[in-house]
Amino acid sequence: DVKVTQSSRYLVKRTGEKVFLECVQDMDHENMFWYRQDPGLGLRLIYFSYDVKMKEKGDIPEGYSVSREKKERFSLILESASTNQTSMYLCASRHTGFRNQPQHFGDGTRLSIL
Amino acid sequence: ILNVEQSPQSLHVQEGDSTNFTCSFPSSNFYALHWYRWETAKSPEALFVMTLNGDEKKKGRISATLNTKEGYSYLYIKGSQPEDSATYLCAPPYNNNDMRFGAGTRLTVKP
Repeated sequence: DVKVTQSSRYLVKRTGEKVFLECVQDMDHENMFWYRQDPGLGLRLIYFSYDVKMKEKGDIPEGYSVSREKKERFSLILESASTNQTSMYLCASRHTGFRNQPQHFGDGTRLSIL
Repeated sequence: ILNVEQSPQSLHVQEGDSTNFTCSFPSSNFYALHWYRWETAKSPEALFVMTLNGDEKKKGRISATLNTKEGYSYLYIKGSQPEDSATYLCAPPYNNNDMRFGAGTRLTVKP
């Protein structure tokens, strides 16, 4: 089974801190994604990566950056955390070999910015 | 940005009722259509990935159809059970790398 592991289930940080959310997948997937989920808004794409060192902006990249130095790891960085970044963050990965490949999700990180 | 709409936004049904909801997407440049179920306190899990016009997929009491020419997919649940309560998400990626979701349909099945 594919395993997508997010480093923390719950995280509390302070305004202005630099925050790192880590995601690791064990199935050699090319694509990795970061989403945030807020009530009534579904899953919104922040950034995705289709290869090592490659990244693309999603719909809401402002205030975030990402890093993919190794294929299995995709990091989301909040450069200077703000209270409006309090949310549930989900990482996902996907193999790109065929159109019918689904995404596999981590368990999520519930981040609170005080 | 790919415009994905799911309706209804939420749905409350009684146990045993059958129900369906819709995912609408631009029909041009169709690539694939994904359906996911997201239960509270769990991570989303894939239900179906559909790639051909006219596709029908089934998993137990849940089935889905796809119309790429008119840009919609239906998800059906026959004889809903309380354990079907979840948010159902669709995502129609328009290439092999991107994946953006609709806002979802939140289903509550009352015993």
